[in-house]
Amino acid sequence: DSGVTQTPKHLITATGQRVTLRCSPRSGDLSVYWYQQSLDQGLQFLIQYYNGEERAKGNILERFSAQQFPDLHSELNLSSLELGDSALYFCASSVDPGTLANYGYTFGSGTRLTVV
Amino acid sequence: KNQVEQSPQSLIILEGKNCTLQCNYTVSPFSNLRWYKQDTGRGPVSLTIMTFSENTKSNGRYTATLDADTKQSSLHITASQLSDSASYICVVSPNYGQNFVFGPGTRLSVLP
Repeated sequence: DSGVTQTPKHLITATGQRVTLRCSPRSGDLSVYWYQQSLDQGLQFLIQYYNGEERAKGNILERFSAQQFPDLHSELNLSSLELGDSALYFCASSVDPGTLANYGYTFGSGTRLTVV
Repeated sequence: KNQVEQSPQSLIILEGKNCTLQCNYTVSPFSNLRWYKQDTGRGPVSLTIMTFSENTKSNGRYTATLDADTKQSSLHITASQLSDSASYICVVSPNYGQNFVFGPGTRLSVLP
């Protein structure tokens, strides 16, 4: 157990629907990162939050949004889902962005989203 | 553009054999390089981290090397085990505190 908790582990939904993925960071970590990994593809950075505020954006679609709550858990909202959104969605956390060089990320076990 | 390339894309070896995975990067300025192991359907787990001043870092049967001049790194796995079957991802940090650049990974299969 890495200490980063993601729920649900699996999600199957239809095209056009909206889903919410949840991430609880490791205790003491203030920064949360979301990644998308399509089948046999590398990890694609979506968005980062630090202590409740958006810190950096990657290749995140406008149909996707995220937020980090006061208790530091984060949610990734995916709307108007398309077949191509089927992927593994990983959350990672770190103490703070300034310590990435020394401590790096801790990844959760991911949420597998299947859009049918 | 900051990029990380890895080779080979996939590799199949027999249990007990050694193997070496390669990583080339164009990330600049360079802060550190990590190798992650990702089991199928699981989150990546850090194996090693090296700064620009380090040439070699070991973690059990895993040994990573770094040549900051040529911007190349390798991950050597000794006496492979079936549990080594996974994707190995090279990740480079362009600067202190900046988001990492992920390579596409090398998928290793260890057969009995």
